[in-house]
Amino acid sequence: AQKVTQAQTEISVVEKEDVTLDCVYETRDTTYYLFWYKQPPSGELVFLIRRNSFDEQNEISGRYSWNFQKSTSSFNFTITASQVVDSAVYFCALSEEGRGGSQGNLIFGKGTKLSVKP
Amino acid sequence: DVKVTQSSRYLVKRTGEKVFLECVQDMDHENMFWYRQDPGLGLRLIYFSYDVKMKEKGDIPEGYSVSREKKERFSLILESASTNQTSMYLCASSLWVGNTEAFFGQGTRLTVV
Repeated sequence: AQKVTQAQTEISVVEKEDVTLDCVYETRDTTYYLFWYKQPPSGELVFLIRRNSFDEQNEISGRYSWNFQKSTSSFNFTITASQVVDSAVYFCALSEEGRGGSQGNLIFGKGTKLSVKP
Repeated sequence: DVKVTQSSRYLVKRTGEKVFLECVQDMDHENMFWYRQDPGLGLRLIYFSYDVKMKEKGDIPEGYSVSREKKERFSLILESASTNQTSMYLCASSLWVGNTEAFFGQGTRLTVV
């Protein structure tokens, strides 16, 4: 069965600190996709990144970076030099290749609430 | 710009009322979804649709139904609202199921009193 675990419920940091949000997933499929979404206080989930199971290259986008490790079934997200605007709830999600029915739908973790204080 | 629009940001309804939550997407996406978000529980899938007039139950369909008469519109219906349906409701759409990202609306916070 698919499962996504975000063990950190809430994290609080001071501006300019680096912070890593953990995500551990479970799946029996060899083809799957991992996602991160940001939900600011306004409520709308904003897509950040998608990774497929065959691409273990780490990705960097500005202050954001993602570390995908199949050996530990983890897809962690690091924010470097955090800013107040990074305060949000962050969700990790997993999906398998769509084959009809409920397969292929996004399975979300419970989210990590990040508070960045000035 | 990709857009998923939910008809209301906030709704207050009475127990027993029939409630309609509307969602429209302008991206010609095949797939549309309704999620419910509750503190400590994350996002849970209520229903999804992969084509017009097609629907499938998600993880928590009880007490809900859906309608998709046109490709761009996906409605969530609470046949008889109850207080335990007080929640944030999120609509999403995606081009394919599984390997593409979903785009979300701004959410509807429903309170049933």
